Amino acid sequence: AQTVTQSQPEMSVQEAETVTLSCTYDTSENNYYLFWYKQPPSRQMILVIRQEAYKQQNATENRFSVNFQKAAKSFSLKISDSQLGDTAMYFCAFMKPIQGAQKLVFGQGTRLTINP
Amino acid sequence: DGGITQSPKYLFRKEGQNVTLSCEQNLNHDAMYWYRQDPGQGLRLIYYSQIVNDFQKGDIAEGYSVSREKKESFPLTVTSAQKNPTAFYLCASSPRQGGEQFFGPGTRLTVL
Repeated sequence: AQTVTQSQPEMSVQEAETVTLSCTYDTSENNYYLFWYKQPPSRQMILVIRQEAYKQQNATENRFSVNFQKAAKSFSLKISDSQLGDTAMYFCAFMKPIQGAQKLVFGQGTRLTINP
Repeated sequence: DGGITQSPKYLFRKEGQNVTLSCEQNLNHDAMYWYRQDPGQGLRLIYYSQIVNDFQKGDIAEGYSVSREKKESFPLTVTSAQKNPTAFYLCASSPRQGGEQFFGPGTRLTVL
């Protein structure tokens, strides 16, 4: 069974700083997807970024980028120029595509606070 | 606007009662999912459905039941057999061909 581990329960940085959230996973699969989801105080789950395992290039979405190390089974999220609106719970998730549906396995989350 | 709606936002239940949480999507997605979120934990999969009239158990299905009579709707019933039902429940959907899951706003269930 796949597992996802986020080793940082809480993090706090000053506005405009760069912060990196860690995630490791365990799987014997070769083809899979990895995601970072954000859950602000409203509790709405919002997709931040995705990475396909077959792609060597790290995904980037504006201020958000990942460092995907397939051999090490590591998938960290870097937030540059952090903003107050980035304050949220961040969940790393593993997905193995199966016909017709996808099963997501989530880590326990990292609570990120951006201080003014 | 396309999206996923869940109702009610807050739900209170007495012990021994069954309650049903609503989830509706107009994204034309084939697959739908129910997750449970407890404090300090990530989301855990309860049930999922790939297509109308078909659904499979997830990792924590005991004490829950679902139906999928319409593509747009995937209601979740929390039965009296669920010993610790107080939690935040999230519904999601995804296209059949793959891609990320889109989430609804959630329902907070409290057992009194």
